[in-house]
Amino acid sequence: QKEVEQNSGPLSVPEGAIASLNCTYSDRGSQSFFWYRQYSGKSPELIMSIYSNGDKEDGRFTAQLNKASQYVSLLIRDSQPSDSATYLCAVPRDDKIIFGKGTRLHILP
Amino acid sequence: DVKVTQSSRYLVKRTGEKVFLECVQDMDHENMFWYRQDPGLGLRLIYFSYDVKMKEKGDIPEGYSVSREKKERFSLILESASTNQTSMYLCASSSAQKEDTEAFFGQGTRLTVV
Repeated sequence: QKEVEQNSGPLSVPEGAIASLNCTYSDRGSQSFFWYRQYSGKSPELIMSIYSNGDKEDGRFTAQLNKASQYVSLLIRDSQPSDSATYLCAVPRDDKIIFGKGTRLHILP
Repeated sequence: DVKVTQSSRYLVKRTGEKVFLECVQDMDHENMFWYRQDPGLGLRLIYFSYDVKMKEKGDIPEGYSVSREKKERFSLILESASTNQTSMYLCASSSAQKEDTEAFFGQGTRLTVV
């Protein structure tokens, strides 16, 4: 089992709808989780971090963490064309950070 | 504003050349990383360093070496470039002082080996 798994997509969502991105991880001891956004040809940028079970909201973004089920998700409300990007889930382990392969999100105008 | 700077945005090198990719961070971070990113393969860790002169192999170290003589600088070296090393190379840094801290990325170097 890969340490961090994501559906590669592409995930197509109409503009204005909710985009839901999911990630599962294998290490039950993981304590924190990150979501990065990467536009084509650019480097990843951090958009959300979450440390506790439940939801964390930041503007149109909500991160959800369920440690018992070992999954973390990212919801994007009122999706905009500018949200079209690849979203990477990441989990620290020791001094390293393990990334999923990313989910490509395409917002349909 | 935090900053990780990679020396080149685009590079074209010939097969067999020795290639140096430089990365500098101004955040006094202990940890620094080199990744390569290829379509469908995601981010793959080549090497990382948790202190000056310390290094550890990542998932795909073959054909690469690294150097960290100063805390702020982490260099990736392709000893003899080959066409299968054509890729996007990303440097990142993170702090070891806080538990579970995020990585900050440089702008990336797109390397083409011909």
